[in-house]
Amino acid sequence: AQKVTQAQTEISVVEKEDVTLDCVYETRDTTYYLFWYKQPPSGELVFLIRRNSFDEQNEISGRYSWNFQKSTSSFNFTITASQVVDSAVYFCGRWYSSASKIIFGSGTRLSIRP
Amino acid sequence: ETGVTQSPTHLIKTRGQQVTLRCSSQSGHNTVSWYQQALGQGPQFIFQYYREEENGRGNFPPRFSGLQFPNYSSELNVNALELDDSALYLCASSLYREITDTQYFGPGTRLTVL
Repeated sequence: AQKVTQAQTEISVVEKEDVTLDCVYETRDTTYYLFWYKQPPSGELVFLIRRNSFDEQNEISGRYSWNFQKSTSSFNFTITASQVVDSAVYFCGRWYSSASKIIFGSGTRLSIRP
Repeated sequence: ETGVTQSPTHLIKTRGQQVTLRCSSQSGHNTVSWYQQALGQGPQFIFQYYREEENGRGNFPPRFSGLQFPNYSSELNVNALELDDSALYLCASSLYREITDTQYFGPGTRLTVL
């Protein structure tokens, strides 16, 4: 199977709280790429990060950080000190090499309350 | 540098009709992918075009077809519309078809089939 699972359908937190979005993937490949996209109410998917399977270093970009663990096939996304503007649906995805496509999870709807 | 644009924004059709959706790629991008996103779901890959030729296809029937033009703009055509075709259709362009390249998405066309 080549699934990407985002078990959290919806998360709601109060502004300034930290929040972690989970992503678990399946793969038989040794080389693969993982992605996170944000989909605000406007509808377009906004690219956040791409990570290849050989780079297990965690990454931080401002309030965003990503934890990639091959041992558990997870690629989790944390927003620190959340803001109302972070409210969106977040999708985790995995690159499927045979067809140059991304397989997306079903998304996590994040609501940040003021 | 202009982003990915799609037209129309919204469309209402009846079952059995045909529809054409359009996408203008980001400047300089020669690869375009189309995705279908049903309500509450992650995007599902339909197909990809690279330099006017289909470069990969997802699990969609032949009534879903596409074209890419010399200027790298693209069309998605759907014949014999069914109720289940109601979805947000997203177009994504990338500079190359390579696995390492990032896909940039347009705002989508919301299709409703009655």
